[in-house]
Amino acid sequence: EVQLVQSGAEVKKPGESLKISCKGSGYSFTSYWIGWVRQMPGKGLEWMGIIYPGDSDTRYSPSFQGQVTISADKSISTAYLQWSSLKASDTAMYYCARQYSSGWYVYNPFSYWGQGTLVTVSS
Amino acid sequence: EIVLTQSPGTLSLSPGERATLSCRASQSVSSSYLAWYQQKPGQAPRLLIYGASSRATGIPDRFSGSGSGTDFTLTISRLEPEDFAVYYCQQYGSSPPAPFTFGPGTKVDIK
Repeated sequence: EVQLVQSGAEVKKPGESLKISCKGSGYSFTSYWIGWVRQMPGKGLEWMGIIYPGDSDTRYSPSFQGQVTISADKSISTAYLQWSSLKASDTAMYYCARQYSSGWYVYNPFSYWGQGTLVTVSS
Repeated sequence: EIVLTQSPGTLSLSPGERATLSCRASQSVSSSYLAWYQQKPGQAPRLLIYGASSRATGIPDRFSGSGSGTDFTLTISRLEPEDFAVYYCQQYGSSPPAPFTFGPGTKVDIK
């Protein structure tokens, strides 16, 4: 069974750093792109970026380029999303999601989703 | 970047009725790389339709997708109580740097 299990909720102060995780199981972790999606409170879905764990090829939405870093450790089948300096506007639910088809071709929908990690940034 | 517009914003219907949701793109979506997702409160999105008209694994046949180019439709033939949710379209075929964009969503609620 394919599963993406995300790390737990976080409460941080503005300016702090944070790294959240997404552990994949039940499939070949290195063969599928994993994306990150933000959902601010009461709002819609926003694509942030995507990584191919096989070679760490990473693409970012222009809206998030320079604001976050996406990485992966294929030895432990885990993808990461990190911030170096959080802002209150980073308060949101963050989802990781695996693409539908395997391989380097990035143009696929997201067929498996993690349960989400709620990040709250407040002074 | 391709911008997606969904209409209506909210659709109020009764169980058993037919729901028709629209997704319009600011430019043609390559190879009909258009997906639909369902999201219920407190849950992650679920893939319903990909390639504009192919149902994902386990999705009931009351859900169907159609369209091409810039105009796409998700139809729920007979609403079941569990279908009341928010529906998002997503294109996944545009050139870098933004190969993926989501629409703003349509909420289907109980009339």
